[in-house]
Amino acid sequence: DGGITQSPKYLFRKEGQNVTLSCEQNLNHDAMYWYRQDPGQGLRLIYYSQIVNDFQKGDIAEGYSVSREKKESFPLTVTSAQKNPTAFYLCASSMPGYDYGYTFGSGTRLTVV
Amino acid sequence: DQQVKQNSPSLSVQEGRISILNCDYTNSMFDYFLWYKKYPAEGPTFLISISSIKDKNEDGRFTVFLNKSAKHLSLHIVPSQPGDSAVYFCAASGGNQGGKLIFGQGTELSVKP
Repeated sequence: DGGITQSPKYLFRKEGQNVTLSCEQNLNHDAMYWYRQDPGQGLRLIYYSQIVNDFQKGDIAEGYSVSREKKESFPLTVTSAQKNPTAFYLCASSMPGYDYGYTFGSGTRLTVV
Repeated sequence: DQQVKQNSPSLSVQEGRISILNCDYTNSMFDYFLWYKKYPAEGPTFLISISSIKDKNEDGRFTVFLNKSAKHLSLHIVPSQPGDSAVYFCAASGGNQGGKLIFGQGTELSVKP
């Protein structure tokens, strides 16, 4: 079955550490996105990529980094520079054009301990 | 600047009655609108969409209404069921967004038996 897989589902990080969240899709979608969900703030865009080897900052990119070396994969690194990393992270993918909308992964809950 | 706003963080409705979720937007270039449903610790799933050339789209118990002059859309659920209890996100695309979806803050719907 085609879909988008995020791992791990839960992740704990010590302050000062970098962590990488995985996102893989087998939908052959060109575009991939990372969102962060915080209570009362909806979904905020961190980074997006519309094609392999290219990506753009979203609204809250500070403290995060990404890579897009393969069409299927769009990992997100939460660096120690991210001041408040505890959140629910969602990865999504889409084909060009509005009608398709996004397909979301099941999310990763990151907690800083 | 929040381009898509859902001003009601929560809504409680009795089973069998109508649920009305509202969404306002500011960017007149938006031309495609979507509703997503999200359960806790899961990714959002697509529910229904509407193009700006229409003012209504219906899919079973779900109907979305678009009022372009007021820059307002609403999602009607009739009849509401306990399984509809979730967070609902409104999203918009178009204009200079490059295919990205802009999400509202979400409304948590609770349907009481």
